[in-house]
Amino acid sequence: EAGVTQFPSHSVIEKGQTVTLRCDPISGHDNLYWYRRVMGKEIKFLLHFVKESKQDESGMPNNRFLAERTGGTYSTLKVQPAELEDSGVYFCASSLYRASSTDTQYFGPGTRLTVL
Amino acid sequence: AQSVTQLDSQVPVFEEAPVELRCNYSSSVSVYLFWYVQYPNQGLQLLLKYLSGSTLVKGINGFEAEFNKSQTSFHLRKPSVHISDTAEYFCAVTKNTGNQFYFGTGTSLTVIP
Repeated sequence: EAGVTQFPSHSVIEKGQTVTLRCDPISGHDNLYWYRRVMGKEIKFLLHFVKESKQDESGMPNNRFLAERTGGTYSTLKVQPAELEDSGVYFCASSLYRASSTDTQYFGPGTRLTVL
Repeated sequence: AQSVTQLDSQVPVFEEAPVELRCNYSSSVSVYLFWYVQYPNQGLQLLLKYLSGSTLVKGINGFEAEFNKSQTSFHLRKPSVHISDTAEYFCAVTKNTGNQFYFGTGTSLTVIP
C-alpha cells in the first residue's frame, strides 16, 4: 500500500510568487492534516480535513494560505503571495478513523519550501 | 494550552551504547503521547504511543518510552543503539478531545561508529 505522498519535494520561489503544494493521503483515509516546520523549530499544526470539509483550521497563519481537498481525496495548499517567513518544510499526514485522537497519523516526506 | 519540550537538540552516542531522549510536556487536560522518527529524506514514522494502561510502552526497532504523569515526562530509551538509528526524533502530544498534534522541536540522534 502506498504511503502519503507529497509533491514537489523541494520548491524554491521568490517573494511575492505563488506556490501550490500537493498531498495524496493513504487511500481510504478520511482525515488529512497539514503541518509546517520552520527551521529549528517545532512542527506546527496548520489544519485538518475530514473528507472534503475543514474540521479545524486554527493553525493557518494568515489568509495568504489556502487549503483545499477536492472530493475528499488529495489536498492542495496554496501560498499566495509567498513571504520569506513562509520558508520551511510542509508535512502532510493522514489517518483512518474519524474524530479519534488516538489514531496514528501517517506522515509524508514533506515539501521543503524556500522563499528568496 | 499544550506544549512539548525536547531539551536536547543534538545527541551524539557511540554505537551499542544506551541512549535516552528526553521529552516533557505541559497540558491542562489529559493527553496521549507519541514518539515519531524521521530518517533522512523520509516522512515521520511512528515509533510508539502511550494512550492508557501500562506506563512502559514498547515500540519498533527496540525503542521504549515511559510515561511519568507526576513529572509530565515521556522519555525515549534504547539499551543499545545502531548506526541505523541515526535520525531525528520528535515527541508529540494530542489532547484526548482533539486530533491536532503538538510537537517538540526534535532531537537529532547521531550514532558514532
